[in-house]
Amino acid sequence: EDKVVQSPLSLVVHEGDTVTLNCSYEVTNFRSLLWYKQEKKAPTFLFMLTSSGIEKKSGRLSSILDKKELSSILNITATQTGDSAIYLCAVAPNRDDKIIFGKGTRLHILP
Amino acid sequence: DVKVTQSSRYLVKRTGEKVFLECVQDMDHENMFWYRQDPGLGLRLIYFSYDVKMKEKGDIPEGYSVSREKKERFSLILESASTNQTSMYLCATQTPAYEQYFGPGTRLTVT
Repeated sequence: EDKVVQSPLSLVVHEGDTVTLNCSYEVTNFRSLLWYKQEKKAPTFLFMLTSSGIEKKSGRLSSILDKKELSSILNITATQTGDSAIYLCAVAPNRDDKIIFGKGTRLHILP
Repeated sequence: DVKVTQSSRYLVKRTGEKVFLECVQDMDHENMFWYRQDPGLGLRLIYFSYDVKMKEKGDIPEGYSVSREKKERFSLILESASTNQTSMYLCATQTPAYEQYFGPGTRLTVT
């Protein structure tokens, strides 16, 4: 059965810290891995990763995929209170159009 | 910019009522999805549609049905609402590159 597992489930850090969120997956015919940020409303798209070892960056956020280890990490440097959110990892398999979501990591940044 | 709208942000219904949740997208995407999100369970797929009048069951379709009469509109129907259907409902549309864009969500309470 295809699955996506995120860790940790929740995390509390101080403003300015750097955090690393993990996502591992087991899917047949992997196509791409996606990261989303969800604050009070609906998830918003952050990154899509298809190739191993190529870092995607957006400001203080970056992500990289390791197809050998079937995993991805999302890094946030110099965290700010506005980074507090649930971060969702999802995987798109090749065979059909359903995306499989992990349960998310709830990140809370203390001022 | 992709725009996905949902008919209501908050909804309160009584047990046994028929409930309609509507989702509209303006990007001509073929794939649309309905999820529910509950604490500790993450996002769970209810139904998705890959074309007008075409639908597929997701992971938890019981108690729900869907309708896609026009490409831009995807409706979720609770035939007879029950208290265990109290949840946040999220609609999403998907690009050919598997990026999903979510609506603002409908928080449904069934009393």
